[in-house]
Amino acid sequence: GAVVSQHPSWVICKSGTSVKIECRSLDFQATTMFWYRQFPKQSLMLMATSNEGSKATYEQGVEKDKFLINHASLTLSTLTVTSAHPEDSSFYICSARGGTSGRREVEQFFGPGTRLTVL
Amino acid sequence: KQEVTQIPAALSVPEGENLVLNCSFTDSAIYNLQWFRQDPGKGLTSLLLIQSSQREQTSGRLNASLDKSSGRSTLYIAASQPGDSATYLCAVRRNYGQNFVFGPGTRLSVLP
Repeated sequence: GAVVSQHPSWVICKSGTSVKIECRSLDFQATTMFWYRQFPKQSLMLMATSNEGSKATYEQGVEKDKFLINHASLTLSTLTVTSAHPEDSSFYICSARGGTSGRREVEQFFGPGTRLTVL
Repeated sequence: KQEVTQIPAALSVPEGENLVLNCSFTDSAIYNLQWFRQDPGKGLTSLLLIQSSQREQTSGRLNASLDKSSGRSTLYIAASQPGDSATYLCAVRRNYGQNFVFGPGTRLSVLP
């Protein structure tokens, strides 16, 4: 199946610093990428949707100036958590979907997640 | 607004049992439904994808059914094994261009 990678797998940072998380589709071109956040024992909540070359669409309640998303190529999207605070500590998961016909158009493929801890 | 619920929230069974996980969704106008597995602290692994025109999908010991009109899907796991212990999430998508709405998950523990 298609592979989506995330880097780093975990990160610890001090309050007030910025953290960048990368999401890559390794064997297909991802025209759309999604960023989710998952708090302990809760399900995934969509934060934003990004299409290659255009601005991301954020879900209600998600601050676009705090969570910067860049989808500059068909294989890479980045999420930057700016001025991180302890309440931003969470598990961040990206997902990618292709734009050509076939399985990659239908399914979303998920990355392994990034555990962010803000001290 | 689509809402997805899963019952039970948690389930503990002895090894070898057959079990059923339930997923319900409020808006029957869906594009597809997907079942995922999530191990603690890990990302999602896709198990089965059911298109809105399909009634069921099977993969190994897993069988997922879809009754779109009633807003329900079930995931059947045959001959459960300790390695099946994980959280199982169902998610629905309204149309091709939209994102998934996830259920809260069922935490499964299969005891040896």
